[in-house]
Amino acid sequence: DTGVSQDPRHKITKRGQNVTFRCDPISEHNRLYWYRQTLGQGPEFLTYFQNEAQLEKSRLLSDRFSAERPKGSFSTLEIQRTEQGDSAMYLCASSLETKGDEQYFGPGTRLTVT
Amino acid sequence: KQEVTQIPAALSVPEGENLVLNCSFTDSAIYNLQWFRQDPGKGLTSLLLIQSSQREQTSGRLNASLDKSSGRSTLYIAASQPGDSATYLCAVPSNTGKLIFGQGTTLQVKP
Repeated sequence: DTGVSQDPRHKITKRGQNVTFRCDPISEHNRLYWYRQTLGQGPEFLTYFQNEAQLEKSRLLSDRFSAERPKGSFSTLEIQRTEQGDSAMYLCASSLETKGDEQYFGPGTRLTVT
Repeated sequence: KQEVTQIPAALSVPEGENLVLNCSFTDSAIYNLQWFRQDPGKGLTSLLLIQSSQREQTSGRLNASLDKSSGRSTLYIAASQPGDSATYLCAVPSNTGKLIFGQGTTLQVKP
């Protein structure tokens, strides 16, 4: 197993464009989390899935953000009408089953909105 | 509401020194605590996970301790090396599983 993977690693987009990121978790992991990290800060939770069900969303996740995990495998995070404030590192993590299981992180997607 | 704090925000030490990074949390009802390493522009690498029933965990030159009653954890790095230079983050899971992170301590080990 190669761990959690994310694609793309870097994305530069103009304000107002839509972007989509993909995360492939470790294959036997049922939980998948999305976090956002701005410079000099710790990651902040955005949303998480248990299999294909999206169970929690942060207030950080405005209406312009949507996440999916079809069939409980990979997940996508879409940002519509991007704003400069969306510039950040978007991190994906996965864990086995329960809320106390260790989370393993991917390399992240660095988004720059110009 | 759980809050996690890391002090200091930055630390610079000469190679070979032993050092301690601090992490504090406000709600002692935690399942576990994880320490991560993050290199510039990269994702997070899990270093150690301490279960709430444990007092410490060791991996190589790293030793993490947990004192739930006082809401504190420390990460001890022995014989620091320039390759240890990175940002170190601690995190605790909420009751739904999402991790709550501190702001991190950026460590520079000078050769």
